[in-house]
Amino acid sequence: AQSVTQPDIHITVSEGASLELRCNYSYGATPYLFWYVQSPGQGLQLLLKYFSGDTLVQGIKGFEAEFKRSQSSFNLRKPSVHWSDAAEYFCAVGSQGGKLIFGQGTELSVKP
Amino acid sequence: GAVVSQHPSWVICKSGTSVKIECRSLDFQATTMFWYRQFPKQSLMLMATSNEGSKATYEQGVEKDKFLINHASLTLSTLTVTSAHPEDSSFYICSAPRGSGRTDTQYFGPGTRLTVL
Repeated sequence: AQSVTQPDIHITVSEGASLELRCNYSYGATPYLFWYVQSPGQGLQLLLKYFSGDTLVQGIKGFEAEFKRSQSSFNLRKPSVHWSDAAEYFCAVGSQGGKLIFGQGTELSVKP
Repeated sequence: GAVVSQHPSWVICKSGTSVKIECRSLDFQATTMFWYRQFPKQSLMLMATSNEGSKATYEQGVEKDKFLINHASLTLSTLTVTSAHPEDSSFYICSAPRGSGRTDTQYFGPGTRLTVL
């Protein structure tokens, strides 16, 4: 069955520190992978996506993610976190017909 | 970038009444739109796929008679929660893809918070 797992429900990092949010997927075919961010009162915003090619994907707001097929992972990283990055982050895999299957989400808190 | 709007952003209703939520793609046409439901501190669960010109496709476990979906035009889909009950209180989010395949980018509306008293 298709699924996405985000093992960390809540992560707290200090401002300026590096960040890695974990995502593991289960999908029978070539996965199309996405990271979205959800801020209160706003819709989900796409940070980056992976379809094929270079396994290190650059996104907006300084985020990047690396696709590792051998580990079925698509972890999101940022070298230096800003207070404005505090939000809920969702990893998703694209399914048939354009549907998205989301992970449980990781809430990021940023300490000053 | 593409914009998807939802109306209303929040609604409070009495138990037993029906509530309609609109989802509009403002600057592109969408033959397909998706409706998700999100409980507090939880993930988005796909409820149904809205198809312009045909019936919606519902995910397993979603009551189609309770959650009526109408894709009236290439820019508008509506979700009507019929005979709402407190357990229907949730955050409802729509999305619209640009394109027609798995690689499309989904653009999400800001969501509608429904509270049923």
